Amino acid sequence: EPEVTQTPSHQVTQMGQEVILRCVPISNHLYFYWYRQILGQKVEFLVSFYNNEISEKSEIFDDQFSVERPDGSNFTLKIRSTKLEDSAMYFCASSEGLPHTTQYFGPGTRLLVL
Amino acid sequence: DQQVKQNSPSLSVQEGRISILNCDYTNSMFDYFLWYKKYPAEGPTFLISISSIKDKNEDGRFTVFLNKSAKHLSLHIVPSQPGDSAVYFCAASEASDTDKLIFGTGTRLQVFP
Repeated sequence: EPEVTQTPSHQVTQMGQEVILRCVPISNHLYFYWYRQILGQKVEFLVSFYNNEISEKSEIFDDQFSVERPDGSNFTLKIRSTKLEDSAMYFCASSEGLPHTTQYFGPGTRLLVL
Repeated sequence: DQQVKQNSPSLSVQEGRISILNCDYTNSMFDYFLWYKKYPAEGPTFLISISSIKDKNEDGRFTVFLNKSAKHLSLHIVPSQPGDSAVYFCAASEASDTDKLIFGTGTRLQVFP
């Protein structure tokens, strides 16, 4: 069964450093998403991406964040200068299309900023 | 801004019995609702969804009920099994260019033998 994969599973970084989180969405999916979950809190939408463009971003997704689909398979989230409050689980998701097709989530990357 | 609420942080049910997980929402523009199950250190796994044009959707042991007038949905698991023990998230979306999901805070279900 096709699945969304994410690497790395864990990332520890120093405050102010750049991190890149990687995702491989399901191959025939067209819509890609990043969500995050701070420990003990709800899963929050960060950004959606379609046709090589951001289609929507949340207030959390400020200038320190960027997304890219550098090739036909990878979807990346970059945080340029990490802050302590960026520590969270980051989930990638993908779906076939709109409206209202199921979003399938990857296993997540646990990011710890020290 | 809690548009999707799950007021019960935890639920404990005996194996074989029914588990009922509840979710309330405030945004009347939501027209699609999903339930996800999540184990520790894993991503959310899709369980079942329902469109606002329906009031019930069933898939095996899982049934979701939607009461639009009350802005309430529930997930029924019958019969409950120990493997169902996990955190269950309700999520909602409205027709848009993105289908972004708004999640509830989750309910931890424990099914004991």
